[in-house]
Amino acid sequence: DAKTTQPTSMDCAEGRAANLPCNHSTISGNEYVYWYRQIHSQGPQYIIHGLKNNETNEMASLIITEDRKSSTLILPHATLRDTAVYYCIVPYSGAGSYQLTFGKGTKLSVIP
Amino acid sequence: DSGVTQTPKHLITATGQRVTLRCSPRSGDLSVYWYQQSLDQGLQFLIQYYNGEERAKGNILERFSAQQFPDLHSELNLSSLELGDSALYFCASSVRGDNSPLHFGNGTRLTVT
Repeated sequence: DAKTTQPTSMDCAEGRAANLPCNHSTISGNEYVYWYRQIHSQGPQYIIHGLKNNETNEMASLIITEDRKSSTLILPHATLRDTAVYYCIVPYSGAGSYQLTFGKGTKLSVIP
Repeated sequence: DSGVTQTPKHLITATGQRVTLRCSPRSGDLSVYWYQQSLDQGLQFLIQYYNGEERAKGNILERFSAQQFPDLHSELNLSSLELGDSALYFCASSVRGDNSPLHFGNGTRLTVT
């Protein structure tokens, strides 16, 4: 499965956009990029996923570079409740199985 | 609310004992996953089931076992418990066993004393 690299931590001012980068240089053509977040010991929460095109939903936007080697998750107006660990994942899918491998993620702190 | 229900929320037991954790997936989801999260290990994938069949195994110890029943709920059995098994155990479900988002429950916190 493709490995991802994320910064360990980031700060963002409340009300500003939070841009969380992720590198996945070994991603293959049919592999998706998924983003999840975990708020303090709660269950991880699915945010968004994409293959090639940029995606947007009610929570966030996902920008994937043309070469697909990196992506950015954008929270347009960060609130204190967005403080969490954000995980960028390229799932392993094959032989009927599907696995998400969580790395250390990016700890986002939204500051008042 | 993800729609995934895990019981119990907290469990305290002694070393050497056996416990069973239960998970009810979201309505319509066929695949169930179990993850373990301890302080020093992060989220570790344990096992995946799809429509009652085991699909993938991760870092699951031989002392641990799981199954998915015909009504699609799942149970994770942990036996001969050790102090190091203290952790949060999360269940997740997805519609299919492939590229569909996982929805996680709020976990069972297991404390082994």
